[in-house]
Amino acid sequence: QKEVEQNSGPLSVPEGAIASLNCTYSDRGSQSFFWYRQYSGKSPELIMFIYSNGDKEDGRFTAQLNKASQYVSLLIRDSQPSDSATYLCAVLMEYGNKLVFGAGTILRVKS
Amino acid sequence: EAGVTQSPTHLIKTRGQQATLRCSPISGHTSVYWYQQALGLGLQFLLWYDEGEERNRGNFPPRFSGRQFPNYSSELNVNALELEDSALYLCASSLDLSEKLFFGSGTQLSVL
Repeated sequence: QKEVEQNSGPLSVPEGAIASLNCTYSDRGSQSFFWYRQYSGKSPELIMFIYSNGDKEDGRFTAQLNKASQYVSLLIRDSQPSDSATYLCAVLMEYGNKLVFGAGTILRVKS
Repeated sequence: EAGVTQSPTHLIKTRGQQATLRCSPISGHTSVYWYQQALGLGLQFLLWYDEGEERNRGNFPPRFSGRQFPNYSSELNVNALELEDSALYLCASSLDLSEKLFFGSGTQLSVL
């Protein structure tokens, strides 16, 4: 079982729709969770982080965490073509000594 | 404020050679992380340095090694290069792992 798993996609959504990106992780003791966005040919940049169960909202982005189900998601409201990128889920392992990334989900927003 | 800088941008080597990649963290950051991103794959954790010490390494063979200097810059060395080592090598820095990682632009290593 991979430590962090994501559906590789591509996930295609029309402009203005909600994009839902999902991630599961294996380490039940993990405490910190991050979403990075990576445009083609560029390096990853952090867009959201979440530490507690529930939802965290920042503009058009909402991160959701369910530790019991070992599941974290990212919702992008009012998706724009500029949101088209690969979204990487990253999980800080329990002992805080390794940040593990998923393989990423490709998102395509069509105008 | 300067971001994370990596050099060289591109590196072409042949099988069996050695490669040295360099990284300068953001000023004030003491932790440096190295990741390998092969085509179509996610970021694979390579090494973590903090305060000059290796804190953790990923599941890579010993020919992947590195060090961190007193000014917190870091080197990644790959010995006895193999074709499958061709990838983008990303360096990131932060104050610590629970904080946001800032990534450099990467070094694209091609092994022929």
